[in-house]
Amino acid sequence: QVQLVQSGAEVKKPGASVKVSCKASGYTFTSYGISWVRQAPGQGLEWMGWISAYNGNTNYAQKLQGRVTMTTDTSTSTAYMELRSLRSDDTAVYYCARVRGAGGGMDVWGQGTTVTVSS
Amino acid sequence: DIQMTQSPSSLSASVGDRVTITCQASQDISNYLNWYQQKPGKAPKLLIYDASNLETGVPSRFSGSGSGTDFTFTISSLQPEDIATYYCQQYDNLYTFGQGTKLEIK
Repeated sequence: QVQLVQSGAEVKKPGASVKVSCKASGYTFTSYGISWVRQAPGQGLEWMGWISAYNGNTNYAQKLQGRVTMTTDTSTSTAYMELRSLRSDDTAVYYCARVRGAGGGMDVWGQGTTVTVSS
Repeated sequence: DIQMTQSPSSLSASVGDRVTITCQASQDISNYLNWYQQKPGKAPKLLIYDASNLETGVPSRFSGSGSGTDFTFTISSLQPEDIATYYCQQYDNLYTFGQGTKLEIK
């Protein structure tokens, strides 16, 4: 079945970096994009960015520009999201999601990865 | 950036009630709007895409309408399993989520 499986929970200190993986299965990886969405404790959903698994093109949310990098490895059908210079307000559950078409609905989601930033 | 204003932020209704949530975009987004359901501790689930199209497998009591700047999400007859937070999302220019509507049973 179509699924996205994310890497496990992370605990990081302020100023560090984190890299979360998202392994796709059950579909042709390069036929869809991947978006990353985060959710701080008790808060709503925040879109972080999108990457085309076909050609690696990216779009990032303006507030994260310069701190976030999204990549894919088509040989393993895996997407990655790296966030640098972590702050306490980066503490959140991070989700990857498959995107239909050129910016359509996010129809398949990973299970989420909790990233805690604490000194 | 396109802002999405969703209302109400919370809503209490009885089983069988008709429930309506609205979402307003800060500029014309045509029909580039999706609706998601999120239950506690779970990932969001796509319910409605392109403003009014029901995602495969989603019960027909869920529906969406609207275009331009004003959109509506409706549950025709609330069921206990519909307790969740609902989000609108625009994708006309990158992506933006509304702030969410938490739906509770009265």
